[in-house]
Amino acid sequence: NAGVTQTPKFQVLKTGQSMTLQCAQDMNHEYMSWYRQDPGMGLRLIHYSVGAGITDQGEVPNGYNVSRSTTEDFPLRLLSAAPSQTSVYFCASSSITTGGIGKLFFGSGTQLSVL
Amino acid sequence: AQTVTQSQPEMSVQEAETVTLSCTYDTSESDYYLFWYKQPPSRQMILVIRQEAYKQQNATENRFSVNFQKAAKSFSLKISDSQLGDAAMYFCAYRSASSGNTPLVFGKGTRLSVIA
Repeated sequence: NAGVTQTPKFQVLKTGQSMTLQCAQDMNHEYMSWYRQDPGMGLRLIHYSVGAGITDQGEVPNGYNVSRSTTEDFPLRLLSAAPSQTSVYFCASSSITTGGIGKLFFGSGTQLSVL
Repeated sequence: AQTVTQSQPEMSVQEAETVTLSCTYDTSESDYYLFWYKQPPSRQMILVIRQEAYKQQNATENRFSVNFQKAAKSFSLKISDSQLGDAAMYFCAYRSASSGNTPLVFGKGTRLSVIA
């Protein structure tokens, strides 16, 4: 049972480079999201999606793009990496029931360093 | 916007003792959900416990229980009989129930150390 799969686990970029963090889930979850975790800042929401073709901004969306062409995949794109984007990134998914977003299932995280 | 405050950046507890982690939140809504997540050194996020605001009874999961004080907007986590495996970052989170699609808002976390 794969759950939520994030790749890569580690990445080093130079300032100005672009890259895509991959996130895939095999639980048919409608809701998917990206968080970044920085020391002393907790988890901050970057972007989220409630279904294919639907995305919305979170608390810290600047510098990041997302798209949701399928239920399973929710990639996060950094168009021009900056040192301020050095962080640990988590993808999380959940079903949406009559009670709303349920239990979040997290990926194992991507540690990104921008030099 | 709702905010979640964890006022204790770090805490420690002796093995087998009890520890309480604090969480307060700010909201004008009456219906919402509260969560505690655990992040051990492996970095994997694990749901510890969940509380629905309309339920007055405090949620419990084995050695983990909450003290939910709705009027005070407080949601503390009590860990009984602490074990070495409880050492982790603990995050409190809030989700509005006004819309089913509202994302979770997390606090900044409390790092718990367990002393043998």
